[in-house]
Parts: sequence; C-alpha cells; structure tokens
Amino acid sequence: DTGVSQNPRHKITKRGQNVTFRCDPISEHNRLYWYRQTLGQGPEFLTYFQNEAQLEKSRLLSDRFSAERPKGSFSTLEIQRTEQGDSAMYLCASSRQQISTGELFFGEGSRLTVL
Amino acid sequence: EDQVTQSPEALRLQEGESSSLNCSYTVSGLRGLFWYRQDPGKGPEFLFTLYSAGEEKEKERLKATLTKKESFLHITAPKPEDSATYLCAVQAVVAGGSEKLVFGKGMKLTVNP
Repeated sequence: DTGVSQNPRHKITKRGQNVTFRCDPISEHNRLYWYRQTLGQGPEFLTYFQNEAQLEKSRLLSDRFSAERPKGSFSTLEIQRTEQGDSAMYLCASSRQQISTGELFFGEGSRLTVL
Repeated sequence: EDQVTQSPEALRLQEGESSSLNCSYTVSGLRGLFWYRQDPGKGPEFLFTLYSAGEEKEKERLKATLTKKESFLHITAPKPEDSATYLCAVQAVVAGGSEKLVFGKGMKLTVNP
C-alpha cells in the first residue's frame, strides 16, 4: 500500500498562469475526491469521481477549474488563469467504498501559492 | 446550508489531563458524522464514523459520541503524540445522493509532556 500520491507537493506561480496537479490514488480504489484547504480552515469539497465519471462538482469549482480522471486511475486538477485567492492546499483522497463509511485516504496535498 | 462548528478552536493540555472536544452540526438529515486527525503538512487521517444518536466508538485514548445536535471527542490521559488538529465532518442526506463531506475548521490540540 503506497498510499495516495500527489504531485507536485509545492507550486509557486504568478497570477494568470495555469497550473496542474496530479493525484495517484490507492490502486484498488475506484472513488476519488478533490478538496481544497486554506490556512486555519477545514477541507472544502471540490469534486468526486467514480471510476472515470465525474459525478459531483461543488459550486466552488468555477469554470477556471477542471478535473479529469481519464482512465479511472490517476486524476488531474487544472486551474487556469490563477488568482491569489486560489492559494491553498489541494488535497486528493480515494476510497474503495461509499463516503458514508467515512474512510477516505488522503494524500499529503499540493500546496499552491499564487503571487 | 449544512454547517459544522468545532470548539474550542485550540486546546492545550498537560500529559494525562483528559478533556473533550465539541462538534455541533446543522444538517437537513444526517447520513454520517466523521472524525479525522490532521498532522501539520499532512492530509487528514480517518478516525471514526458515527451514524445515529447514542452511538459511541473508541480507539486507544479516543472515544467519540453522537447526539442529535453534536458530537464529542473525548481524550483520556492524552500523550504528546496525540497533538494534532482534529477535524469533524458530516455527510448530509441529499436527494439523489452526495459524496460530499462538510468539514468544520478543526481544533488544534497540543499536549505538553
């Protein structure tokens, strides 16, 4: 069990640039989630995939954000035309079961700083 | 709108000094309440799921309980390694289903030796 892997761990970019984060879930997990966490706050839900299908999206996920999971394995989260308010930790989580069990396995996150 | 409020925001304890953390929630219908632990620079780590009022779960020095409006995380005789941020989250009953968890801001616990 190698855990959920996220890359890059840290990204510093200038406002207006595009950034992409990658998440590799635990291999047998078909459910994948993206959350965003800012300093002093709890994680906020962004989106959910079951296999390759994106089944749920938060209103937080503006049209500058796009997430994909093309083959039902790894996922990418792209932010276009970054803004300073996008600075946050982007957390990926995976699960083998429905969320009602609560047992999400989180990665260590990708920290984005927009200058 | 579903809301989760945790108190206190921060707590300092001496090793061995037991205490409780509170999580109050407002949801249209509760499907589950979850406790996670988060260490600095890490993602949250799952601790417990509670589904109905009166339910209790235990793990080592931690015990979680649930009522219709709040949950408590009791820490008995804590050790310095229990120092972390404890997050409470809820999953609401939503027509059509939802996999979203709504988290509170967390409670930072520091246990001094």
